[in-house]
Amino acid sequence: GAGVSQTPSNKVTEKGKYVELRCDPISGHTALYWYRQSLGQGPEFLIYFQGTGAADDSGLPNDRFFAVRPEGSVSTLKIQRTERGDSAVYLCASSLSGTGNYGYTFGSGTRLTVV
Amino acid sequence: GQQLNQSPQSMFIQEGEDVSMNCTSSSIFNTWLWYKQDPGEGPVLLIALYKAGELTSNGRLTAQFGITRKDSFLNISASIPSDVGIYFCAGQRGNQFYFGTGTSLTVIP
Repeated sequence: GAGVSQTPSNKVTEKGKYVELRCDPISGHTALYWYRQSLGQGPEFLIYFQGTGAADDSGLPNDRFFAVRPEGSVSTLKIQRTERGDSAVYLCASSLSGTGNYGYTFGSGTRLTVV
Repeated sequence: GQQLNQSPQSMFIQEGEDVSMNCTSSSIFNTWLWYKQDPGEGPVLLIALYKAGELTSNGRLTAQFGITRKDSFLNISASIPSDVGIYFCAGQRGNQFYFGTGTSLTVIP
């Protein structure tokens, strides 16, 4: 597609459940990033993929969070045993290369609400 | 995490007025970027700055990368209603971008 696509756009889940958030980057973009944006805040880095591998996962808050990108294109962010504090907008972005010298192109995000 | 201080937090201006907002950090960044975010959308890149002291324009937008590499400002001239949104600065270090807390801009027609 022309842009970064994220699905679902909204997700409401109960505390303790498992959720998966999907990101389709721009075709040909090798670098993919996940960010989390809480209400009234700027996005915060979670994880960066270069191709299939997670090159930097230092932003993942704990081991309940995991992300994969098995074929170097689509990525899935997985959250286990969700907590109310996980409620946020999860943004995915992609760029042509890992340097991101042209900035990222962001998707519209998935708004996750844990009740 | 890295803290970028962005000011002002919000602005209410008349259409046609000029706007200025800035971003400061306690740490050095190699690249500064400015993004605009509309409700329900992801941030959209406005301007990227790669060298200390660099002054770059994009239409009515002008941004500068501070000499110390710890700050940047964004100016919008002759504001129009579609400038409404939240503006974020971001500093790049390595693979990560560190975002400010945003400046919410309201333009009154």
